[in-house]
Amino acid sequence: DQQVKQNSPSLSVQEGRISILNCDYTNSMFDYFLWYKKYPAEGPTFLISISSIKDKNEDGRFTVFLNKSAKHLSLHIVPSQPGDSAVYFCAASAGTDKLIFGTGTRLQVFP
Amino acid sequence: EAQVTQNPRYLITVTGKKLTVTCSQNMNHEYMSWYRQDPGLGLRQIYYSMNVEVTDKGDVPEGYKVSRKEKRNFPLILESPSPNQTSLYFCASSSLAGATDTQYFGPGTRLTVL
Repeated sequence: DQQVKQNSPSLSVQEGRISILNCDYTNSMFDYFLWYKKYPAEGPTFLISISSIKDKNEDGRFTVFLNKSAKHLSLHIVPSQPGDSAVYFCAASAGTDKLIFGTGTRLQVFP
Repeated sequence: EAQVTQNPRYLITVTGKKLTVTCSQNMNHEYMSWYRQDPGLGLRQIYYSMNVEVTDKGDVPEGYKVSRKEKRNFPLILESPSPNQTSLYFCASSSLAGATDTQYFGPGTRLTVL
């Protein structure tokens, strides 16, 4: 049973436009959410996180939105750059429990 | 430089031939874990360790063993590899368990079992 779902396996966006990556979860006990970014031949690297007490967290071009009632998380990248082309994983955790990862979305930003 | 290293990076082996993938971190982290990444399934945790000599099963532990004799090292052992263990493996470490502390991942080991 996939507790964290990323329903779009891929997304293609033009440079300069907004990229929106979505993530849905089923476990209402999740209270911390993260996005990791993965380039080919490298391990995932932490990008941005949000606690369940917030509904938005911003870091430069990256903003994460959390809608607890809908159990939905999204990552906005504005403006998108070619260097943002990577696989993005969302992940969630309940308390100090382990991270549960989604299946990933491959973002391609074209000129 | 703070990092998690894994060796080997690529490995092709045959069914039943025991192998070990090493993982080492230089950040004095308490928590270490192993994940496998498969198409359409994302990252799934195999085993984790809260500290030296303390290990526990993750979501997909069958066919794997681990040990944590030293804080910095967390090897993944496949006693009798099978083709369904063909995957991309990542080791990760963090100061604390859980999501509130950033996990640092190694570069990955691509394993093919024939």
